[in-house]
Amino acid sequence: SQQGEEDPQALSIQEGENATMNCSYKTSINNLQWYRQNSGRGLVHLILIRSNEREKHSGRLRVTLDTSKKSSSLLITASRAADTASYFCATDPNTGGFKTIFGAGTRLFVKA
Amino acid sequence: DTAVSQTPKYLVTQMGNDKSIKCEQNLGHDTMYWYKQDSKKFLKIMFSYNNKELIINETVPNRFSPKSPDKAHLNLHINSLELGDSAVYFCASSQGGNSYEQYFGPGTRLTVT
Repeated sequence: SQQGEEDPQALSIQEGENATMNCSYKTSINNLQWYRQNSGRGLVHLILIRSNEREKHSGRLRVTLDTSKKSSSLLITASRAADTASYFCATDPNTGGFKTIFGAGTRLFVKA
Repeated sequence: DTAVSQTPKYLVTQMGNDKSIKCEQNLGHDTMYWYKQDSKKFLKIMFSYNNKELIINETVPNRFSPKSPDKAHLNLHINSLELGDSAVYFCASSQGGNSYEQYFGPGTRLTVT
């Protein structure tokens, strides 16, 4: 199975609600990143959290990292219809710095 | 200006043909990547290049041959296309390996019939 695995696979919420997505990984990492992909488009970087950090914020995004549990979560607060997209976690598995492993993604649908 | 561009956006071809996908980045990055995204949206790294040198070849069949003529370009040539090669291929670049955010191109949807 893959290094990064997100859950849930799909999430449907109402506009204004919060959305939480989780990511688990298997090996030690240097950092973990979250990306968004709108339908038919390339991935867009959201946030990077290093292995020595526990929490990071960017606008309505909050990312946590628990290296002891090998897991991360992405929280989107006050969601908007425009947040509808797939969200991927990506890990740097400490293998020299040029191999990024993406999880299977969470498909978020925000209903207006 | 587009940061990472790919051509073509769509590619429909028959089994056995040879095709190429081109990628260019104007960000001045040292590292470029090719990814394959399958129909279930799973994204898998294929190749990483740093300063025009191949760093990662993630057990990709040798029908796939990347070429980096300079740091701004990373092209992907595919020989003897198979049905299983149908996917979306993404090029990406980063400042210097995966301690930095990656910038993705818009993708090339390859359909092999």
